Amino acid sequence: GAGVSQSPSNKVTEKGKDVELRCDPISGHTALYWYRQSLGQGLEFLIYFQGNSAPDKSGLPSDRFSAERTGGSVSTLTIQRTQQEDSAVYLCASSRAMGEAFFGQGTRLTVV
Amino acid sequence: DAKTTQPTSMDCAEGRAANLPCNHSTISGNEYVYWYRQIHSQGPQYIIHGLKNNETNEMASLIITEDRKSSTLILPHATLRDTAVYYCIAALLYTGTASKLTFGTGTRLQVTL
Repeated sequence: GAGVSQSPSNKVTEKGKDVELRCDPISGHTALYWYRQSLGQGLEFLIYFQGNSAPDKSGLPSDRFSAERTGGSVSTLTIQRTQQEDSAVYLCASSRAMGEAFFGQGTRLTVV
Repeated sequence: DAKTTQPTSMDCAEGRAANLPCNHSTISGNEYVYWYRQIHSQGPQYIIHGLKNNETNEMASLIITEDRKSSTLILPHATLRDTAVYYCIAALLYTGTASKLTFGTGTRLQVTL
């Protein structure tokens, strides 16, 4: 596709439920990043992938958060047993090895 | 990754040049300086990056001091659409792999009439 695509664009879920957020990077981009941004806050790094491996998972807030990337393309961020503090915009970005990162428009997650 | 320091906010009159400073005094020799901006409710947008030399593209110019401890992003003719939060990032580049980008709090640039 022309840009980074994230789905769904909005997700409302009940506390305790699991959610899956999807990111389709730009074709050919080897690196993929996940960030989250709470209301009025800066971007918090979660994890990044180089190909299918994740050299840096240091930003994942807890073991309820996990991410995978398959085929060097699509990535899924899974949040288990969601909590209200997980409410945020989850942003995905992709880049070539030495290029700038292109961001998607994000998934707005609301846990009620 | 080196820590960067930016002013919290700045104002600029429309049509004038906006000069956004960034300090990165602990930057290492193989860390690039990246600039991104985030317009309200949108995902961040890449602007420019550089290592040692000054860089210019259709959006902005990046001036990096000779000792690489600071840099300035210049928007030559700011417009109202340039109102955004601007992030300066120093990111380590591994050969053949991407840079991990750690965003700070950025500078909120307000362009006014």
